Amino acid sequence: DQQVKQNSPSLSVQEGRISILNCDYTNSMFDYFLWYKKYPAEGPTFLISISSIKDKNEDGRFTVFLNKSAKHLSLHIVPSQPGDSAVYFCAAIGGTSYGKLTFGQGTILTVHP
Amino acid sequence: DSGVTQTPKHLITATGQRVTLRCSPRSGDLSVYWYQQSLDQGLQFLIQYYNGEERAKGNILERFSAQQFPDLHSELNLSSLELGDSALYFCASSTGSSSYNEQFFGPGTRLTVL
Repeated sequence: DQQVKQNSPSLSVQEGRISILNCDYTNSMFDYFLWYKKYPAEGPTFLISISSIKDKNEDGRFTVFLNKSAKHLSLHIVPSQPGDSAVYFCAAIGGTSYGKLTFGQGTILTVHP
Repeated sequence: DSGVTQTPKHLITATGQRVTLRCSPRSGDLSVYWYQQSLDQGLQFLIQYYNGEERAKGNILERFSAQQFPDLHSELNLSSLELGDSALYFCASSTGSSSYNEQFFGPGTRLTVL
């Protein structure tokens, strides 16, 4: 049962343009959402998060939007840079305070110069 | 560099064998989490230890076990290995026991079962 889904396995964007990565979830108990970025041969690194009491959180070029009624979140990267090329995972927590960070399958973002 | 170290980086073994993966958390972190990433899959949570005690369990097979030692390093033991156990295994650490604390990931151990 895939509770967090990233339906786009890959995304290709031109440098300077906006990248939009999407994530859907099914568990209404989730109350905190995170995006991680992963480069090859490295572990995931935390990028940005959002609590379910908010609908937007911004950090520099990265903005996460949360639509609770649609159980959908998205990560916007503006402007996209070649160094942003990586795998992006969305993840969710909720229903329990311990363990169980639930990840999506990841989206490979490629930013072309 | 997250400060979390994992050894070995790569491991190749045969079906039926047993292996041990090792993780050293960031200095000061008391929680250690183990995740498995199979091909085309997201990271699947396996188990969490906090200050030496098991805190939460995910989709961990009975053939797998883990422990956290007094110096806070952790080991994940995988036994009776099957081809389907081939995956990347990540360890993460955090300061507190709650998964709401930011988790810092190690570089992973790539396990190949032949």
